[in-house]
Amino acid sequence: GDSVTQMEGPVTLSEEAFLTINCTYTATGYPSLFWYVQYPGEGLQLLLKATKADDKGSNKGFEATYRKETTSFHLEKGSVQVSDSAVYFCALSGRDDKIIFGKGTRLHILP
Amino acid sequence: EAGVTQFPSHSVIEKGQTVTLRCDPISGHDNLYWYRRVMGKEIKFLLHFVKESKQDESGMPNNRFLAERTGGTYSTLKVQPAELEDSGVYFCASSQQRARLDTQYFGPGTRLTVL
Repeated sequence: GDSVTQMEGPVTLSEEAFLTINCTYTATGYPSLFWYVQYPGEGLQLLLKATKADDKGSNKGFEATYRKETTSFHLEKGSVQVSDSAVYFCALSGRDDKIIFGKGTRLHILP
Repeated sequence: EAGVTQFPSHSVIEKGQTVTLRCDPISGHDNLYWYRRVMGKEIKFLLHFVKESKQDESGMPNNRFLAERTGGTYSTLKVQPAELEDSGVYFCASSQQRARLDTQYFGPGTRLTVL
């Protein structure tokens, strides 16, 4: 069945460092791909999405590109801030409307 | 516009008791989804309502779980009787259109602890 694999955390970086969180997927057909974020004490928020190959989703300085050839959707940010500390979930949505999530990556940003 | 709300935010119960979780979707959203995250595992789909009808309940773990959405507005998820392995965070989400066409907006979750 469909699945999402993302890098294990926690990831600890210093402020202004470059961030990459790897995500690969397995799916039949052409899923939509998402990154969700959960800040401490809050619910899941959609960070960005891409609905077809080569699309780039972006929001709040984060970017991810839908790579069909490598079945990947890696999350990147050029300069992280302490306020980016959160848990990040890579996810996909296939034909049946379910969202399938990765296990989540906890990110700690040190001042 | 109010987002998806869930009640309670936390619930601690003993094994064998009954708990009912409530989700209020964004007004006008026909699609309502339940997910849960058991400790250390992925967030997993439980079921999907379109208005008051169950579109897909393939993720419901067993018959101790009962979801309803009377009138197509808010939804409840009842666990009866609760077991230790039911502990986790239960998320509700809603969307106006089907997931592939529209964003699912998530609530803050209900953290359930079964002792």
